This record gives sequence, C-alpha cells and structure tokens, in this order.
Amino acid sequence: KAGVTQTPRYLIKTRGQQVTLSCSPISGHRSVSWYQQTPGQGLQFLFEYFSETQRNKGNFPGRFSGRQFSNSRSEMNVSTLELGDSALYLCASSLTLTGAGNTIYFGEGSWLTVV
Amino acid sequence: AQRVTQPEKLLSVFKGAPVELKCNYSYSGSPELFWYVQYSRQRLQLLLRHISRESIKGFTADLNKGETSFHLKKPFAQEEDSAMYYCALSGFNQGGKLIFGQGTELSVKP
Repeated sequence: KAGVTQTPRYLIKTRGQQVTLSCSPISGHRSVSWYQQTPGQGLQFLFEYFSETQRNKGNFPGRFSGRQFSNSRSEMNVSTLELGDSALYLCASSLTLTGAGNTIYFGEGSWLTVV
Repeated sequence: AQRVTQPEKLLSVFKGAPVELKCNYSYSGSPELFWYVQYSRQRLQLLLRHISRESIKGFTADLNKGETSFHLKKPFAQEEDSAMYYCALSGFNQGGKLIFGQGTELSVKP
C-alpha cells in the first residue's frame, strides 16, 4: 500500500508569492492533517480535513489555508509568503477522526524555502 | 494549556546502556500519548502509543497520570536506535491534531 505522498518535495519561493502544496493520503484514509516543522518552533499543527470539511485548526494566520477534495486528496496554500514561512510542511493521514486506536501516518514532507 | 515538554534536546549513551527519554505533558482531560521516531532521512513514524501498552523494538513507555509523564525506556540501547524521538499527545476525539514536544535526539555510540 502506498504511503502518504507529498508534492513537490522541494521548492523555493520569493517573499510575497503564494504556494500550493499537495498531499495524497493512504488509500482509504479520509482524514488529512498538516503540520509545519521548523528548528525553532518544532512540529506545529496547521489544520485537519475530513470529508472535505475543516475539522480542526491550529494557531496560524489566515494566510495559511487548505482544502480537501472528494477523493480525500488535500492541498494547502500559503499566500503572501514571508521569510519565516520557510519550513518543512508535513502531511499526515488517518482512517477517521477519532483518536483511540487511530494511527496517523506521515508523508516525507515538502521543503519550502522563502527568499 | 496543552503542552508537551521534552527536557533533553540531545541524549548520548553507549551501546548496551539503558536509555530513558523524558516526556511531560499538560492537558486538561484524558489525552492519548504517543512516541514518534524519525530516523535519518526517513519520515516520521509511530513508535508506540500508551493505549496499546506494547513494546516496540524493545522500547516501552508507561503513562503516569499523577506525574503527567510518558517517559520512553529501553534497557539496552542499540546503535540503530539513534534517531529523533518526539513525544506527542492527542485530545479525546481530536483526530489528527497532535501536540508535539520539541524532540530529543538520541545518539547511541559504539
């Protein structure tokens, strides 16, 4: 079974631009969540989608947004990029929303560098 | 406030020595606790979860609600255990929302 797939793996953007990252969950998984990983802040939860609806949201500005499609694939978008947005963006998928016994699987991440 | 604290950024031990990676948490309610591991150049993966009470790769972790801790232990460290270890918690019915600690890098020397 293929794991969580994220594209692109690496990208460089200029301040002020916007970026879209894509995530394909494990087949059959309906929940997709996104995380930002930086050396200073560590792993921080961005948001979670289930059945095309945002179910949980972290403490990030409105420049960070996402969506989920009917096939459970998800995209996240960051507008008006700032230098501080340089990070590894991780996507994770799980079967359902419920916590107990619900294993969360992570992708390899998309490395975003803002210059 | 919901928080996970891993006090050690780096833990260095010799092969065969016992290892304990500390994790303390703050959460109002009954969270689910996890340990995730990230080996060099690999993706983050689940090592174990407190509800399973199982041992994976010789690692165990016991949830101590009184001390709000979930320390990871292994009696005899191996070189292949060298990796980044993250403690995380999830609230009841919080699904994929995990709160992570800052991580501890474990280095096992020969």
